[in-house]
Amino acid sequence: GAVVSQHPSWVICKSGTSVKIECRSLDFQATTMFWYRQFPKQSLMLMATSNEGSKATYEQGVEKDKFLINHASLTLSTLTVTSAHPEDSSFYICSARASGGPVAPLHFGNGTRLTVT
Amino acid sequence: AQTVTQSQPEMSVQEAETVTLSCTYDTSESDYYLFWYKQPPSRQMILVIRQEAYKQQNATENRFSVNFQKAAKSFSLKISDSQLGDAAMYFCAYRSANSGYALNFGKGTSLLVTP
Repeated sequence: GAVVSQHPSWVICKSGTSVKIECRSLDFQATTMFWYRQFPKQSLMLMATSNEGSKATYEQGVEKDKFLINHASLTLSTLTVTSAHPEDSSFYICSARASGGPVAPLHFGNGTRLTVT
Repeated sequence: AQTVTQSQPEMSVQEAETVTLSCTYDTSESDYYLFWYKQPPSRQMILVIRQEAYKQQNATENRFSVNFQKAAKSFSLKISDSQLGDAAMYFCAYRSANSGYALNFGKGTSLLVTP
């Protein structure tokens, strides 16, 4: 089956620093990747949609200058949390979709737990 | 924007029994997809079952089945012969067939399975 690798699984950083999270599709080409954020015991909230080679589309309320998304290749998307603050602490999950229209399934990474101290 | 509502924050079922998780959604689209995902403590999202809106027949995957009522915009999940490994958060999700293709999730239902 299709595998999406997300790295790191967890990270602790100091307030004011930046953190990069990688999302890789290991055995398929991901036309589109999605980044979600999940607070404890809450749902997954879509942050942004990224298509390979183009700028990401951010959901309302998501600061694009704070959450930088790069989808430079068909197998890699990165989310960089810039100047992180404690309120950015959360669980971040990526998902990837191969080509094939709406029928193509989404494959999820294992998520990254970010703690900002 | 489409909204997905799961009105049961928590549910409990005894092992081997049957439980139904509720989900309703709001959309003006006629073509879309609906999903149930399971998220165990590991936080990995696992697809349980999916339903295409244009199909009248309810989807079934082994012990999991759905009751899809398009007119009522309802999409419930039935788990038969519940097992301890079914304990998890269950999320109902909507996906447009027209654009974006992102999943729009409900708030989830925490399912507890008791021996």
